[in-house]
Amino acid sequence: GAVVSQHPSWVICKSGTSVKIECRSLDFQATTMFWYRQFPKQSLMLMATSNEGSKATYEQGVEKDKFLINHASLTLSTLTVTSAHPEDSSFYICSARGAAGGGEKLFFGSGTQLSVL
Amino acid sequence: GQNIDQPTEMTATEGAIVQINCTYQTSGFNGLFWYQQHAGEAPTFLSYNVLDGLEEKGRFSSFLSRSKGYSYLLLKELQMKDSASYLCAVNSYNTDKLIFGTGTRLQVFP
Repeated sequence: GAVVSQHPSWVICKSGTSVKIECRSLDFQATTMFWYRQFPKQSLMLMATSNEGSKATYEQGVEKDKFLINHASLTLSTLTVTSAHPEDSSFYICSARGAAGGGEKLFFGSGTQLSVL
Repeated sequence: GQNIDQPTEMTATEGAIVQINCTYQTSGFNGLFWYQQHAGEAPTFLSYNVLDGLEEKGRFSSFLSRSKGYSYLLLKELQMKDSASYLCAVNSYNTDKLIFGTGTRLQVFP
């Protein structure tokens, strides 16, 4: 099956710093990638939809200036958590879908556990 | 908008059968997915239903009724390793996004 690589797997940072998370589709071109956040014992909450070559579409309540998304190529999307605070500590997961569009299963990255001190 | 409901927690015994239900409301339905997620790991794909009926895949089966906005995941011959969260997710033509339910935490006891 398709492979999506996400790194880092975990990161610990100080409050106020920025953290970049990368998501790569290794064996297919992903025109659309999705970024999810998951707090302990809760389900995945969609943060934003990342489209190659255009601006990301953010879900209601997600600050676009705080969570910067760049989808510069068909195989790479990045999420930058700017000026991180302890409440941003969470499990961030990316997923990718191929060029054929809806109805296909999403392939998930392995996730990034962010801990902000 | 979309609304997806599943039970929060379930328990079962090793070797038994368990059914996890999912009800949903959405416009432009374009498929329902079931994912398994172990703690601290990313979800893994289990099944996909877009037409009514039962899809069987080994010990796991998934059923869909579009008219009722209802699906279930059936796990047979439960094993201890099946203890995990099971996420129901719905795709919509209108939004072209996959939205997840709250997930069902299944605990399998010996």
